[in-house]
Amino acid sequence: DVKVTQSSRYLVKRTGEKVFLECVQDMDHENMFWYRQDPGLGLRLIYFSYDVKMKEKGDIPEGYSVSREKKERFSLILESASTNQTSMYLCASSHNKDGGSGANVLTFGAGSRLTVL
Amino acid sequence: AQSVTQPDIHITVSEGASLELRCNYSYGATPYLFWYVQSPGQGLQLLLKYFSGDTLVQGIKGFEAEFKRSQSSFNLRKPSVHWSDAAEYFCAVGSGGSYIPTFGRGTSLIVHP
Repeated sequence: DVKVTQSSRYLVKRTGEKVFLECVQDMDHENMFWYRQDPGLGLRLIYFSYDVKMKEKGDIPEGYSVSREKKERFSLILESASTNQTSMYLCASSHNKDGGSGANVLTFGAGSRLTVL
Repeated sequence: AQSVTQPDIHITVSEGASLELRCNYSYGATPYLFWYVQSPGQGLQLLLKYFSGDTLVQGIKGFEAEFKRSQSSFNLRKPSVHWSDAAEYFCAVGSGGSYIPTFGRGTSLIVHP
């Protein structure tokens, strides 16, 4: 019954490494999101995609990029990982049916906890 | 711009006691309002949502929330808390004009036996 799958639950990387976080959804949703979650700061939006090959920056895009080549897959890329990118990363998706209301109902993956040493 | 405030970072209750988690929002028109729950090490799960109509909304796991426009609030309630309710709770606000809801910083619920 898993609908949003994040391929890696736990990753440990070294400073300067390139990191790929993968997210796949099987609900045919148009919208996909990447959030970062840190204690006391809640969820902060990194990037948002509303269609294949389309993306918009969120609140904290610096140091990150994204790729959406297929509707079901949304990848988050850390070009050169740094220790301040140690965090929990959450992927989510939503659909565009029901006008705007459906688009605001997010289905989340289980999260990817990244540690950068 | 829309915003959400969850005034309580931590809430501690005894098992069997009632619970109310506070959420205040800022938005000019009628908002879409949500509560999500996050168990340790997991993603967020939708508890309930409000779009329009009846201001008292029922959700999963025995939770309910009430939309009060005059107070710009959407507080989450449960009459009797179970130990398994210990988790992080997030309130979120959205609108028809945006596909991106805004989340509060979360309230951590601790349940004592």
